[in-house]
Amino acid sequence: GAGVSQSPRYKVAKRGQDVALRCDPISGHVSLFWYQQALGQGPEFLTYFQNEAQLDKSGLPSDRFFAERPEGSVSTLKIQRTQQEDSAVYLCASSLERLGNTIYFGEGSWLTVV
Amino acid sequence: AQSVTQPDIHITVSEGASLELRCNYSYGATPYLFWYVQSPGQGLQLLLKYFSGDTLVQGIKGFEAEFKRSQSSFNLRKPSVHWSDAAEYFCAVGFYGGSQGNLIFGKGTKLSVKP
Repeated sequence: GAGVSQSPRYKVAKRGQDVALRCDPISGHVSLFWYQQALGQGPEFLTYFQNEAQLDKSGLPSDRFFAERPEGSVSTLKIQRTQQEDSAVYLCASSLERLGNTIYFGEGSWLTVV
Repeated sequence: AQSVTQPDIHITVSEGASLELRCNYSYGATPYLFWYVQSPGQGLQLLLKYFSGDTLVQGIKGFEAEFKRSQSSFNLRKPSVHWSDAAEYFCAVGFYGGSQGNLIFGKGTKLSVKP
C-alpha cells in the first residue's frame, strides 16, 4: 500500500481483556517499529523488527505485551489482561532498512481501557 | 542515557510571523536528528532530517533546521507561519547501537497560530 496501515484505528477494551493491534507496513520495508504514545507525551519505543526477527524488545513495558512479525511483513502487537495505564496511541512505523532511511509512521491505533 | 528536550510545551505565534522551535539532545556522539509534525488524530509526518554534511537542512512545507554541535541543538525554523501549521511538533534523535535505529522523541511542542 501507499503508507503504513494500522487497524483498528480505535479500540475500547474492558480492563482485563486481551487486544491485538495490526500493522501493515509499506511494501518492501525491512524494518518495523512499534511505539506507544501516551496523552500529551512523545512516542516511546516499544520494539523493533528486521524482517521477521525481533531484534529489540527493550521498550515493552511488561510481559503482558507481545509483538510478532512471523512472515516479515504484517506485524501484530498483543496486549494481554489490559490495564488502564495501557491506554495510549500505538504507532507502527516502517523503513527500508535500519537507521539511515526515513521512518514512516502509520496513523496509530487509539486504545482506551475502561 | 540519550535524551531529547523540547523546552517549550506550547507556543503561540501570529500568522505570518517567524517561528523557532527548540530542541536539545544529550548523546555522546553525533546523532541522527529528525523533526516530525503531528496533527490531531493523525500519525507523524517527517518534516526534515539530518544525517551528515550541511548543518542547515531544508524540509517540506518551508521548514528548515540547523544542527549546532557545540550547543547540542537542532532547532526548527520557518520564516512565515501559516494557519495550517498549527499542530504538535516532535524532535527525535536516532543513533546506531544495540537498538539499531529506534528513535528517542522529545515530549513535543504544540504550536497555535493566531489569525
